[in-house]
Amino acid sequence: QSVLTQSPSASGTPGQRVSISCSGSSSNIGSNTVNWYQQLPGAAPKLLIYGNNQRPSGVPDRFSGSKSGTSASLAISGLQSEDEADYFCAAWDDSLNGPLFGGGTKLTVL
Amino acid sequence: EVQLVQSGAEVKKSGESLKISCKGSGYRFTAYWIGWVRQMPGKGLEWMGIIYPGDSDTRYSPSFQGQVTISADKSISTAYLQWSSLKASDTAMYYCARLKSSNYPRGNWFDPWGQGTLVTVSS
Repeated sequence: QSVLTQSPSASGTPGQRVSISCSGSSSNIGSNTVNWYQQLPGAAPKLLIYGNNQRPSGVPDRFSGSKSGTSASLAISGLQSEDEADYFCAAWDDSLNGPLFGGGTKLTVL
Repeated sequence: EVQLVQSGAEVKKSGESLKISCKGSGYRFTAYWIGWVRQMPGKGLEWMGIIYPGDSDTRYSPSFQGQVTISADKSISTAYLQWSSLKASDTAMYYCARLKSSNYPRGNWFDPWGQGTLVTVSS
């Protein structure tokens, strides 16, 4: 199963702004909206961003998403220690007729 | 509150069968697709398949077609994932999640997720 491409790791210090990228193709990111999931250590994934840039209720506005063409990015501003987690991008794939996930980016707060 | 509650951890031997469950509450269970996602130890998320409990329409990822069976019992708002003959390589955490959709802009996303069911298969 193909995956969307993410850098395996990212890091930042408290208060900093970090960005995580996600690259796909015309059959997924190019045709459908992008979602981001946060997985804290030992926990289930949680929806962080849907529809490219929409935050579910309860998600701080420090988290923002954007999409351009076949790529997307998640930005976290005012980094906090509790943001240390794995972040996965995802998009529906029209060829697969199902969702594709990125390989995940492990964010470390130094 | 919309919730998906999964059955507990399982320890099995290769060749055994297994059925794990995912019970929905707080919403109309028959109106949303439910998906299953595998996460092998230390790895990423893999979509296995989805089911529409309203009519049991089921779709599988090509990677999992023929390897597992997804079903649902709408009378008790529960979806299932089952194996007829487990392998050691099936050792993983399995999540169920409700699929939400938008027509404009076009997209689908999983929310919420169950807490996960850890399946350990020994050879």
